Amino acid sequence: DAMVIQNPRYQVTQFGKPVTLSCSQTLNHNVMYWYQQKSSQAPKLLFHYYDKDFNNEADTPDNFQSRRPNTSFCFLDIRSPGLGDAAMYLCATSRVGKNTEAFFGQGTRLTVV
Amino acid sequence: AQSVAQPEDQVNVAEGNPLTVKCTYSVSGNPYLFWYVQYPNRGLQFLLKYITGDNLVKGSYGFEAEFNKSQTSFHLKKPSALVSDSALYFCAGPLSSGGYQKVTFGTGTKLQVIP
Repeated sequence: DAMVIQNPRYQVTQFGKPVTLSCSQTLNHNVMYWYQQKSSQAPKLLFHYYDKDFNNEADTPDNFQSRRPNTSFCFLDIRSPGLGDAAMYLCATSRVGKNTEAFFGQGTRLTVV
Repeated sequence: AQSVAQPEDQVNVAEGNPLTVKCTYSVSGNPYLFWYVQYPNRGLQFLLKYITGDNLVKGSYGFEAEFNKSQTSFHLKKPSALVSDSALYFCAGPLSSGGYQKVTFGTGTKLQVIP
C-alpha cells in the first residue's frame, strides 16, 4: 500500500545524457515536491506544484525541469546531467496548508558516470 | 528569515537510555514544526508535528517532542532508545507564508544507538 512511489530506485546515467525520474501518488494530494539530497545533507527543494501551478526555487539550475501531467504523476527531467548532479532525488506530496506533513517516496539514487 | 537549526551533527546513546535530539527555530507567526526520520537509502518518514495546543506532542514509534516557546526549541525525545532508532533525524518548519507548505529542513542529526 505504498502511497508515494518513485521509479526507478537506482538510476545510472551518462554524463550529458538526459534522464527522467518519475513519481506517482495514490493520496490525491494537491502539492507535489521534488527535493535533491546529497550525502546525508538536508533535502534541498528544487520545485513544487500546487495542482498544475509550477513553482521553481530561485537557485534551481535550468538543467532541471519538471512535468506534472495529472494529479497522480510528476516527473523530474535532468537535461544534461553533470557529475555534481549525482544525488538522491526525493519526491513528496502534501495536502494544502502550512500545518500538513509531507509524505515522501523512497527516493531515486542517481549516479552519473 | 525563517529557519530551524539542529546544533548536533551526531548523538550517541546507549540502548535503553533516554534520547534527545535538539532543534531550535526562528519562525514568524505560528510555528508549525515537524520531525522526520530517514533510514539509510530511504525517503523521509513523518514522525510528529506541533501545530498548537499541548506543548508535548506524541508521535510514531514512541517518540515525542516538547515545544518550548520561551527557548524557541522543539526537541525530539524518547524515554528508552532502541538500536533500530539509529537513523538520520530532521527537524523542519514552514518556509513560506503561502497557503500551502514549503518547508525548510534543519541540517540533520545522526542518531547512533549503541547496543
